[in-house]
Amino acid sequence: AAGVIQSPRHLIKEKRETATLKCYPIPRHDTVYWYQQGPGQDPQFLISFYEKMQSDKGSIPDRFSAQQFSDYHSELNMSSLELGDSALYFCASSLGKNTGELFFGEGSRLTVL
Amino acid sequence: GQQLNQSPQSMFIQEGEDVSMNCTSSSIFNTWLWYKQDPGEGPVLLIALYKAGELTSNGRLTAQFGITRKDSFLNISASIPSDVGIYFCAGQPGNTPLVFGKGTRLSVIA
Repeated sequence: AAGVIQSPRHLIKEKRETATLKCYPIPRHDTVYWYQQGPGQDPQFLISFYEKMQSDKGSIPDRFSAQQFSDYHSELNMSSLELGDSALYFCASSLGKNTGELFFGEGSRLTVL
Repeated sequence: GQQLNQSPQSMFIQEGEDVSMNCTSSSIFNTWLWYKQDPGEGPVLLIALYKAGELTSNGRLTAQFGITRKDSFLNISASIPSDVGIYFCAGQPGNTPLVFGKGTRLSVIA
């Protein structure tokens, strides 16, 4: 069965650069979530989209933005990168908004030097 | 934001032993879920619970949604080496995104 696809899997950037992460949800899933996980930490909710509209907003910095496109894929744009942005970024999808059963991608590891 | 207290933080057990971990919240949750995460991978859903008192099994895993709706536990019976990983509880206090506990790191000694 198709899973959530994230790209790139690994990304290395310098401070103050920008980065874009992509997420392709499970087919027919209408809700996408972005989570950030620091080393040894639990996943922290950043933002979610339902039917291409922003649904909920968590601890997403103002330097970050995201959107969901007509084909339901989502992109997380990160600007003015800081060392503290180094983390695993997970995308998850679900059928229905906040239905509980989230299916996660394998994550994108961002390293900021 | 919502806080989930998950314990223990880590466990070292012998292969074949049973494992128990739990999660508590100061507020009522409508949904409890348990995920497992392997290093460098995304969390994988193990069990989802939707009703207070619900007891659900998935192979050697059993989880329960507490009657008070403020807690949940996960049991793993007859542990095997591939059970190694980090187990996260997650919950929804309402129509809101999942919040995660801090995780329980499980190590299995063969």
